[in-house]
Amino acid sequence: SQKIEQNSEALNIQEGKTATLTCNYTNYSPAYLQWYRQDPGRGPVFLLLIRENEKEKRKERLKVTFDTTLKQSLFHITASQPADSATYLCALPSGSARQLTFGSGTQLTVLP
Amino acid sequence: EPEVTQTPSHQVTQMGQEVILRCVPISNHLYFYWYRQILGQKVEFLVSFYNNEISEKSEIFDDQFSVERPDGSNFTLKIRSTKLEDSAMYFCASSVRFPTNEKLFFGSGTQLSVL
Repeated sequence: SQKIEQNSEALNIQEGKTATLTCNYTNYSPAYLQWYRQDPGRGPVFLLLIRENEKEKRKERLKVTFDTTLKQSLFHITASQPADSATYLCALPSGSARQLTFGSGTQLTVLP
Repeated sequence: EPEVTQTPSHQVTQMGQEVILRCVPISNHLYFYWYRQILGQKVEFLVSFYNNEISEKSEIFDDQFSVERPDGSNFTLKIRSTKLEDSAMYFCASSVRFPTNEKLFFGSGTQLSVL
C-alpha cells in the first residue's frame, strides 16, 4: 500500500514569509494528489488537486508542485498570515482509486 | 455553499454498547465515506459506499461496523459493540464521483468517547 510522509510534524514561520510543506510517497505514482487543510476539531477542507501531468498548480497564495520522479509534492503558502495556521494534509488515491489515503499532516503556525 | 452535516457532534457511550453516527451528505453527491481520526493521529479511511453498497473498506472496518443509507438523505455508521479503542473523531464525507480527480467534502465530525 502507499506510504505517505509529510515533513516535520510542526513548522513555525514568521508572518509574510513563504511556508513550504513537503509530501513524499513511496510506491506507485498516483494519477493525482490532493492537499487539505484541517483546523482543530474540524474535518479536512479541500484546497488543491494536482494531476500527474501537471507540474504546478496555483490558487491565490497557494502553489502546489508535483514531481513524479522524486515522488514528491511541495505545497507553498506565500505571504503567510496567522489565519493560515492549521494542519495541512496531503492525500493520494489508493491503488483502486476508491479511497483517499491521508498523510499525518504538518502543523503550520504563522507567528505575527 | 452546501455542506455535509453530522450528528451528534459528541457521543459518549459505555463499552459494549451500540452507537449510530448520522450524516447527511450533500444532496447531489453519489459517493459517501466514513473516516476516523484518533486523537493526534492521521485521518484513516474506513469505508466507501455507492449505489447502496460498500465499494471498499479498510482493515479497521470489521464485522462490528456497518453502514446504511436508510433513506434518500441520511448515511449512517453503526458500531455494534463499542470498544475503548473505538474512541475517535468520525468524519463523514461525500463526493460527486469516486475520488478520481474529485475532491471530498467532509463534515465537522462526531467525537465518540467510549468509557
